[in-house]
Amino acid sequence: GQQVMQIPQYQHVQEGEDFTTYCNSSTTLSNIQWYKQRPGGHPVFLIQLVKSGEVKKQKRLTFQFGEAKKNSSLHITATQTTDVGTYFCAGSGAGSYQLTFGKGTKLSVIP
Amino acid sequence: ETGVTQTPRHLVMGMTNKKSLKCEQHLGHNAMYWYKQSAKKPLELMFVYSLEERVENNSVPSRFSPECPNSSHLFLHLHTLQPEDSALYLCASSQGTSFSYEQYFGPGTRLTVT
Repeated sequence: GQQVMQIPQYQHVQEGEDFTTYCNSSTTLSNIQWYKQRPGGHPVFLIQLVKSGEVKKQKRLTFQFGEAKKNSSLHITATQTTDVGTYFCAGSGAGSYQLTFGKGTKLSVIP
Repeated sequence: ETGVTQTPRHLVMGMTNKKSLKCEQHLGHNAMYWYKQSAKKPLELMFVYSLEERVENNSVPSRFSPECPNSSHLFLHLHTLQPEDSALYLCASSQGTSFSYEQYFGPGTRLTVT
């Protein structure tokens, strides 16, 4: 079945440093969604990418969808303590409505 | 955020107990989901309901039994669970089951099976 791999599993950064998490699928994706889960919280939708090579920005967050629609990345510029949490990517394969989630990248920000 | 609510928030049950988890969405959505979140594992989709009809059952053991009486409510009935079923159970809803819809998650029920 479809697999979505996410790396790294953990990332510790100093406040102000940049952070990137990568998502790779074994199959071509129809779309990719990104979610953030704060400690003790639940996943909250951040953004969706649908087009090949698409890039979207939300303030300090930049999301990319690969040309082959098999990988994606989330980059945070100048991290802040409010960025702490686990970031999940989730994708749907062609012809499927089911979202397959990656294991997530847990981000810690050292003030 | 009160779009999707779940009760109880915490549950401890023995292996011979029967309990139910409840989820309610106030967003007017047509699709509802149950996910299991265990430590060091990806979110696992358990069940999908669209307009109260089950459309997906991802090989979940029969000790988990879902019920969707209407498009706003979703239950997960639990019986004779195993310790490895201890996890955070998340309910989610979306406008529809198309891949293009974002999912709204509830706060989850932290289940411990003793």
